[in-house]
Amino acid sequence: DIQMTQSPSSLSASIGDRVTITCRASQSISRSLNWYQQRPGKAPRLLIYTASSLESGVPSRFSGSGSGTEFTLTITSLQPEDCATYYCQQSARTPQTFGQGTKVEI
Amino acid sequence: EVQLVQSGAEVKKPGESLTISCQGSGYSFTSYYITWVRQMPGKGLEWMGRIDPTDSHASYSPSFQGHVTISADKSINTAYLQWSSLKASDTAMYYCARRTAGVKSLDYWGQGTQVTVSS
Repeated sequence: DIQMTQSPSSLSASIGDRVTITCRASQSISRSLNWYQQRPGKAPRLLIYTASSLESGVPSRFSGSGSGTEFTLTITSLQPEDCATYYCQQSARTPQTFGQGTKVEI
Repeated sequence: EVQLVQSGAEVKKPGESLTISCQGSGYSFTSYYITWVRQMPGKGLEWMGRIDPTDSHASYSPSFQGHVTISADKSINTAYLQWSSLKASDTAMYYCARRTAGVKSLDYWGQGTQVTVSS
C-alpha cells in the first residue's frame, strides 16, 4: 500500500492567517492527490482533486500544489468555518489510502 | 441533485450479521464507482473498497478483504456493505462516496451510517 503522511497533525491559527498543510506519499503518485475537509459531525467534502484543481463551489482561498511525493494544501485567509480536519488521499493505486488528517483549530 | 442516502444507525452484538446500504439518485448510477470508507471513533478515514455497479466487480483494501463484502443492485441504484460476523472493533461510522471516473476523487458522500457492536 502507498502510505500517506500529513504534517502537522494539528495546528492552531487565527482568522486571516495563511495555513499550509503538507502531505507526503511513500512513492511517486504523479498528481493523483485529492484533499478533503471534514467538519465535526459531518461527512467529508472534496476540496481539491488532481493536486491543484478546485472542486466546484469551494472558496478560492483554498489551493493545492505539488506532484510526485510531496503536496501542499494552502488556505490563504483562514475563516471561522475552516475549523475542520483535512485529509489527503492518493488515487494512483488501490487501496486509495488517506493521510491521517490535520486538525485545524481557530 | 446528486444524492447518496445511507441506511440508518445499527446496534448489533458480536457475531451477528449486518448489511448497510447506500442509494444513489440524481445521476446515472452505473457511470460511477461507489467507495466505502470507515471512520472509527475519533480516528481518520480508511478506504475499505469500491464497486463498479455496472458489473458488480469489487476491489478491497487488504485490511478489509475477507471481513466485509461490497455488492450492488443497479436495478435500484443501491450499493451495500455486508458483514457476516461482526466484531466490537467494527464499531465505526461508515460512509459511501461516489468516485469520479477520470480523476478518481470522491465527489459526493453519503451522510454516514453509525454501526455499534456491543455485547
